[in-house]
Order: sequence, then C-alpha cells, then structure tokens
Amino acid sequence: DAGVTQSPTHLIKTRGQQVTLRCSPKSGHDTVSWYQQALGQGPQFIFQYYEEEERQRGNFPDRFSGHQFPNYSSELNVNALLLGDSALYLCASSLLEAATDTQYFGPGTRLTVL
Amino acid sequence: AQTVTQSQPEMSVQEAETVTLSCTYDTSENNYYLFWYKQPPSRQMILVIRQEAYKQQNATENRFSVNFQKAAKSFSLKISDSQLGDTAMYFCAFMGPNFGNEKLTFGTGTRLTIIP
Repeated sequence: DAGVTQSPTHLIKTRGQQVTLRCSPKSGHDTVSWYQQALGQGPQFIFQYYEEEERQRGNFPDRFSGHQFPNYSSELNVNALLLGDSALYLCASSLLEAATDTQYFGPGTRLTVL
Repeated sequence: AQTVTQSQPEMSVQEAETVTLSCTYDTSENNYYLFWYKQPPSRQMILVIRQEAYKQQNATENRFSVNFQKAAKSFSLKISDSQLGDTAMYFCAFMGPNFGNEKLTFGTGTRLTIIP
C-alpha cells in the first residue's frame, strides 16, 4: 500500500522566483492538505483540496495557490518567493467521508529561498 | 480560533522509563478530534495516537496512551517502556468537528530524547 509521496525532496530557489511542489496521496484517499513547517515550529495549514476544488484555506497570501488533478494528486505553487517562505512543506492525504478523519503525511519538501 | 499549547520544549528520559508529554488546547466546540504525531529526524510526520472527544475512554496504542481530560482541555501522551526509536519531535494537534477532515492545528512541539 503506497503511502503519501512528495517531490522534490529538496529545492533551492532565489527571491522572486516561482516554485511548484508535488504530492501523490495515499492509495484510496481523495483529499489533500498542505502545511508549511518553519524551522522549530509546528506545521501551519495552508489549504485543502477535494474534488479538484480548494475546500478550506489557512491564513496564507494569494502567492500560495494549488491544484488537484482527477487522479487526486496535488500541486502547491508559490509565486514571488520571499526569504520567509523557506520551510518544510508537508502534504497530507485523507478520505473525506471516512469515519477516522485522520490525515497521513508525506516526507515533505525542504524549500530554501536565497 | 482553536489554539494548542505544548509547554515542554524539550524532555529527556532514560531508556525503558516512562515519560509524559503535556498538551492543552482551547476550543468552544464540544465534538472534535485530538492527535499526537511523531516527527523523527527523517521529517516524516507519523501518527502516534488519536482521540475522539465524545469518547470518554482514553485511547491506547501499545506503549502509547493518552490522558484526555475534556473539562480541563488537557491531552497528555504517556510513553511506557521508552525505546531509542522514540527519540523525535512530538506534536499535539486539534481537528474541529466539521464532517470531512477539518484542518489540523498543531502545537509547537516537544523534543523528546531517549538516553541509552
């Protein structure tokens, strides 16, 4: 049973650039959530996708956008990168109508903005 | 808005001993979910244990158990017979009651070190 996968593992960008991070959910899951984890902090919710629509959004600027594909995989896009966007980006998947409401996480993408 | 507080930034314990990690939260909801996640140096966030607020019985998973005090809004994690592999960051997380996977709100974490 394949778990949540993310790519790339690491990424280095410069200020002002744009970046795309990718996530494939656990087999059987249909919902993808994205979190940003700054160094030494707990993860912060960015947004959640279900049926190719943004279902919920956290307190992040419009520079952060996403997409979900028909196969439930998802992308996180960040435009006009700032130094403060350097963080570990975590993807979590779940099944919307499951009784457990548990989110399972991928290994993350470490983004460094120089 | 919900908040989650973990007041112990770091803890250490000898191997095979028992350790308890603290977590408090603030919410006006009556039904919700609470989680403990473990994040080892590999960065993978791993679910340790889950508690549903409407269930009075404390959740247990092998060596891991919780002490859920709803009135006090407290949700502590007890690790028995601690092992070297338990060394990790531990995050307490809250999820609201809306059907279909509300967002997770995390605490700032407790860094646990198991000493051989």
